[in-house]
Amino acid sequence: DAMVIQNPRYQVTQFGKPVTLSCSQTLNHNVMYWYQQKSSQAPKLLFHYYDKDFNNEADTPDNFQSRRPNTSFCFLDIRSPGLGDAAMYLCATSSKIGADTQYFGPGTRLTVL
Amino acid sequence: DAKTTQPPSMDCAEGRAANLPCNHSTISGNEYVYWYRQIHSQGPQYIIHGLKNNETNEMASLIITEDRKSSTLILPHATLRDTAVYYCIVRVGVNDMRFGAGTRLTVKP
Repeated sequence: DAMVIQNPRYQVTQFGKPVTLSCSQTLNHNVMYWYQQKSSQAPKLLFHYYDKDFNNEADTPDNFQSRRPNTSFCFLDIRSPGLGDAAMYLCATSSKIGADTQYFGPGTRLTVL
Repeated sequence: DAKTTQPPSMDCAEGRAANLPCNHSTISGNEYVYWYRQIHSQGPQYIIHGLKNNETNEMASLIITEDRKSSTLILPHATLRDTAVYYCIVRVGVNDMRFGAGTRLTVKP
């Protein structure tokens, strides 16, 4: 089945140690998104890619970066994780900008020690 | 600053209809209302969306008031698997979904 895959599902890192989360999709969608969801809160958009065009939300910290080497894969890099970055990170895709539906992956839960 | 207001929690008996309200009094003329849900430890799942007219699909029905200032998501026969947080979202930009706090629906046997 076509889907959005996130690996790993659980990631533990140390304070200040760079970490990379990955997302892949078999939907061949043009747009990929990264959301952060802290405990008991709603998902918050960090940034999105439309093809290779990167679009950062105004309030996304510089500590968060992203790469999209090809259509299928998108990475979230946290350069120096702090305790406040512990959260669920959700990847989503859509077929085009303004598409009706975003398809979400299962998320990666990040723990910062 | 979410553009929607939802009750924080609701209960529903299994097999009965679940009616989830959402207020969006500042909605603009070209903004759609979307509903997503998030089952515990999973990513959000699209349910339905609409602009003016009522909509129905295999999952739910969406009733939008004539003035578009509020809407109701209806799950016609709720099951235990429908227990989730339900998000009502008004699209604020071309590609910007801002999730509000949502309604935690608990379906009880």
